[in-house]
Amino acid sequence: AQSVTQLDSQVPVFEEAPVELRCNYSSSVSVYLFWYVQYPNQGLQLLLKYLSGSTLVKGINGFEAEFNKSQTSFHLRKPSVHISDTAEYFCAVRRQGGSEKLVFGKGTKLTVNP
Amino acid sequence: GAGVSQSPSNKVTEKGKDVELRCDPISGHTALYWYRQRLGQGLEFLIYFQGNSAPDKSGLPSDRFSAERTGESVSTLTIQRTQQEDSAVYLCASSPNNEQFFGPGTRLTVL
Repeated sequence: AQSVTQLDSQVPVFEEAPVELRCNYSSSVSVYLFWYVQYPNQGLQLLLKYLSGSTLVKGINGFEAEFNKSQTSFHLRKPSVHISDTAEYFCAVRRQGGSEKLVFGKGTKLTVNP
Repeated sequence: GAGVSQSPSNKVTEKGKDVELRCDPISGHTALYWYRQRLGQGLEFLIYFQGNSAPDKSGLPSDRFSAERTGESVSTLTIQRTQQEDSAVYLCASSPNNEQFFGPGTRLTVL
C-alpha cells in the first residue's frame, strides 16, 4: 500500500517570496507522483507529474518539483509566488502500471499575502 | 473539448434518504474513479472502473455505498440511508492512461 504525508497543513507567504510545499511518500513498489491544485470552489487541476526520466519536473504556473527516491520525497517549489497562487495543493502517488487509484495527502493550504 | 462533468453540483438531503450522484467522463477515457473529500481532508478513493473489468470497490466505506457504470460512459454513485458523516464533496475522475482528469464535484450535505 502507498501513503502520502504533507508535512504542512498551512503555509502563509508574502507575494514574490519563494515557497516550498513538502511531500513525502511511502511505498513498497515503484510509483508515479503528482501534484494537484484546487482553487477555491473549483475542482482539482494537475500541476505536474513525475513518471520517469529527469527527477526535476516542471509544471504549469511556474511550479516545479524534484523527485528524490532516497528520501522518498517530491517537494513542490516556486521561486516567486503571486496572490493568484492562493489555493490548496495536494500531493498524490499511484502504483506504476495500469490505471491505479491515486493516494492523496491531506493537502497544504497556501495563502499568499500582499 | 468537454471535461468531466458531474451533477448535481450541490445536493442537500435529510438523514436517511437515498441520493444518486452522476458523472459524465471525458469521451474515450476507459478508466473512471470516484473519490470523497471531507472538510479539511485529502481525497479518499471510493471505487474505480476500468473497461469491462470488475470494478475495484475496495474504498467504499460501507454497504450503503454503491456505484455503476454503463460501458465506458456515465457512472452513478448511490448512497442509501444517508448519514451526516456522508457529508462531503464527491469527485469523479476519468483517465485514458497515467493522468486523471477531475470533475468539479458534487457537494453533498446531509442534515
